[in-house]
Amino acid sequence: AQKITQTQPGMFVQEKEAVTLDCTYDTSDPSYGLFWYKQPSSGEMIFLIYQGSYDQQNATEGRYSLNFQKARKSANLVISASQLGDSAMYFCAMRSGNTPLVFGKGTRLSVIA
Amino acid sequence: EAGVTQFPSHSVIEKGQTVTLRCDPISGHDNLYWYRRVMGKEIKFLLHFVKESKQDESGMPNNRFLAERTGGTYSTLKVQPAELEDSGVYFCASSQVSLGEQFFGPGTRLTVL
Repeated sequence: AQKITQTQPGMFVQEKEAVTLDCTYDTSDPSYGLFWYKQPSSGEMIFLIYQGSYDQQNATEGRYSLNFQKARKSANLVISASQLGDSAMYFCAMRSGNTPLVFGKGTRLSVIA
Repeated sequence: EAGVTQFPSHSVIEKGQTVTLRCDPISGHDNLYWYRRVMGKEIKFLLHFVKESKQDESGMPNNRFLAERTGGTYSTLKVQPAELEDSGVYFCASSQVSLGEQFFGPGTRLTVL
């Protein structure tokens, strides 16, 4: 069975600093995809970044990058130059084949001015 | 292009009552998914439609939940009769292809008293 673990229920970061949100996963499928979503207080789920299990390079999208360490089964999200608007819940998720998305419990990030 | 929309945004009902949630996917997206997040827990998959057919309903908690997608456009999720443990946020997502990025709606917050 697939499983996502996010061990940080809450994180604080100073504005303009970088922050890493942890995510580890478990799957026996060699082909899978890893996703990060952001959920601001307004409630919608916003897709941030995707990493495929066979991708050779770590995914990057603007200030977001995914630190993919396949041997460790980790897919940490790095947010550089944090902004106040980055304060939100962040969910790590994975999917393989036709299986549905499996989510972690989320990490609440608070950016401090 | 309009995103995924959900109605209502909030619903407060009493135990034993019936509630129907609606999801309008992005136009042209054949794949529609329902997820639920109970307070403090992971977002859990409920079911997946491909057009009007149920591709995977393994996540539906019990027979009090009925999902439909007549005509392959919008979908409804009915809870009848609602129980206290049904409280949570119900998300809908859609994608153009089964393995594609899923775009989420803002969710419906359901409170059962």
